[in-house]
Amino acid sequence: EVQVLESGGGLVQPGGSLRLSCAASGFIFSSYAMSWVRQAPGKGLEWVSVISSSDYTTFYADSVKGRFTISRDNSKNTLYLQMTTLRVEDTALYYCAKGGGGSRYSHLDYWGHGTLVTVSS
Amino acid sequence: DVVMTQSPDSLAVSLGERATINCKSSQSVLYSSNNKNYLAWYQQKPGQPPKVLIYWASTRESGVPDRFSGSGSGTDFTLTISSLQAEDVAVYYCQQYYTSPFTFGPGTKVDIK
Repeated sequence: EVQVLESGGGLVQPGGSLRLSCAASGFIFSSYAMSWVRQAPGKGLEWVSVISSSDYTTFYADSVKGRFTISRDNSKNTLYLQMTTLRVEDTALYYCAKGGGGSRYSHLDYWGHGTLVTVSS
Repeated sequence: DVVMTQSPDSLAVSLGERATINCKSSQSVLYSSNNKNYLAWYQQKPGQPPKVLIYWASTRESGVPDRFSGSGSGTDFTLTISSLQAEDVAVYYCQQYYTSPFTFGPGTKVDIK
């Protein structure tokens, strides 16, 4: 059974940093692109970032470019999102999602339940 | 960036009736080299993560009931629920994955009339 499990969320002050993790199981992690998508309370979905399966090529939303870094450790079946210079508007439930293929250009076929990041003083 | 718009914002349909949701992209998401539309539809029920229903604009995900169908090409797409069931109450999002950033539409809320 495919599973992705996010962790690392919490309360952080504006300007602070946080690292999210996503532990994957039930599929060959190294063969699939992985993404982060966020959802602010009561709002819609916002795509954040994607990393390809093997060449580790990455894309970012403009709203996080230069502040967030996506990475993966295929030996640990784990996806990461390093978030720095956090802003109040980064407050959201952060979902980890598996790509439908190895390419960055794929739909998202399995989602975790999310980890909540709250940026507040 | 590709801007995704959806209409209507919300709709209420009687049980067993058809529900139609439209999605429009600000530029074509059809890749001519493989003739595929890089467009997916997701369903999100309250308190749950999104679930993919349709990808490549019209390919139904495994396990998704056949009352869900996707159509369209280029910039205009439609998700149809042929016979609305109580369990279909949710917010539905379209997403393009043709070019980064892989933007989502604002969502359409579907309720029972």
